[in-house]
Amino acid sequence: DAGVIQSPRHEVTEMGQEVTLRCKPISGHNSLFWYRQTMMRGLELLIYFNNNVPIDDSGMPEDRFSAKMPNASFSTLKIQPSEPRDSAVYFCASSLTPHGQGENIQYFGAGTRLSVL
Amino acid sequence: SQQGEEDPQALSIQEGENATMNCSYKTSINNLQWYRQNSGRGLVHLILIRSNEREKHSGRLRVTLDTSKKSSSLLITASRAADTASYFCATDAIHQQKLVFGTGTRLLVSP
Repeated sequence: DAGVIQSPRHEVTEMGQEVTLRCKPISGHNSLFWYRQTMMRGLELLIYFNNNVPIDDSGMPEDRFSAKMPNASFSTLKIQPSEPRDSAVYFCASSLTPHGQGENIQYFGAGTRLSVL
Repeated sequence: SQQGEEDPQALSIQEGENATMNCSYKTSINNLQWYRQNSGRGLVHLILIRSNEREKHSGRLRVTLDTSKKSSSLLITASRAADTASYFCATDAIHQQKLVFGTGTRLLVSP
């Protein structure tokens, strides 16, 4: 398997523009996570899906952020309108979440480095 | 914040030395994991220790867990320059699917 695939790897945009980040999870995984990483705030969970359903979006910073998972093999994170403070590295991760108290090992993509000017 | 704390924030050692990183967390957990992140890359899972385990080994890695103190340590023995990376602990609370990551330790191993 190719692992978690994110695109684009780098995105440079101007303030006010719409930004769409994409993620293809590992085939067979049933949970998908979007994270944001900055020097100041570290790694923050934005939202996660289980079986394509959003479970916890409490980390989504504002209404400008939205995420979708239309099927088991694709998810998007959209920022509209973008602001300079959204500049960060955005990671997608997937896992095969077990029932009960099993192991929950996450596999990360290479990330999208977003710069909003 | 539910984020775990790690110390030290940064660690600089010579090749061949051992590196120890510590992690503290706040809630009761199922498991604790350690991840590694090379510069410009995503996180990679290293090792998982269950809440009913006290110590676990994997190659040059040794992890300990003290649930009474809500703390864990990661020991890398005989370090190599290629071990240079940031290391994060992550916990999953009981009945939670999500992981809470620590603040990370930046390890620099000099040849």
